[in-house]
Amino acid sequence: AQKITQTQPGMFVQEKEAVTLDCTYDTSDQSYGLFWYKQPSSGEMIFLIYQGSYDEQNATEGRYSLNFQKARKSANLVISASQLGDSAMYFCAMILGGFQGAQKLVFGQGTRLTINP
Amino acid sequence: DTEVTQTPKHLVMGMTNKKSLKCEQHMGHRAMYWYKQKAKKPPELMFVYSYEKLSINESVPSRFSPECPNSSLLNLHLHALQPEDSALYLCASSQDAGKKFFGPGTRLTVL
Repeated sequence: AQKITQTQPGMFVQEKEAVTLDCTYDTSDQSYGLFWYKQPSSGEMIFLIYQGSYDEQNATEGRYSLNFQKARKSANLVISASQLGDSAMYFCAMILGGFQGAQKLVFGQGTRLTINP
Repeated sequence: DTEVTQTPKHLVMGMTNKKSLKCEQHMGHRAMYWYKQKAKKPPELMFVYSYEKLSINESVPSRFSPECPNSSLLNLHLHALQPEDSALYLCASSQDAGKKFFGPGTRLTVL
């Protein structure tokens, strides 16, 4: 069965510093997708970045980049130049198999990131 | 329009009440989802609808009853809930590989 592990329950970072949130995954499937979502205290899950298992380049979206190391089964999120508004819960998630229609998204336990001024 | 809307934002209900949660998207997505999220926990999948048909039910108790009246709407009917069902209920939609769009959620409190 697939599993996502986030080993950092909480992180505290100074504003403007870069931060890396860890994520490891476990699956025997060759075809899968990895996501990072941000959840502020308001509750909405905000999509940040996606990496497909066959993508050779690391995904980037603005200040967010995904450090994808397939052999180590890790998909760490890097946030450059952190801002106070980055304070939130961050979830790593995975889908398996074919990417048509409905897919089951499996989440890690989350990391609560706090940015200090 | 790239958003998923959910109503109501907050709901307080007694254990004998019947209520419904609503979710709507106008992005043409064919898959819609209900997730339940307890405080400080990740979301847990409850139901998946694909092309308006229920494709996944994660062994959810029958006091939760999903309904997909059309491709844009997803309802979750609630009846005889328990206090432990209090949680944030998130709706999401997707079309293909990549992002699932989540709604803002409904915070449910069962007294």
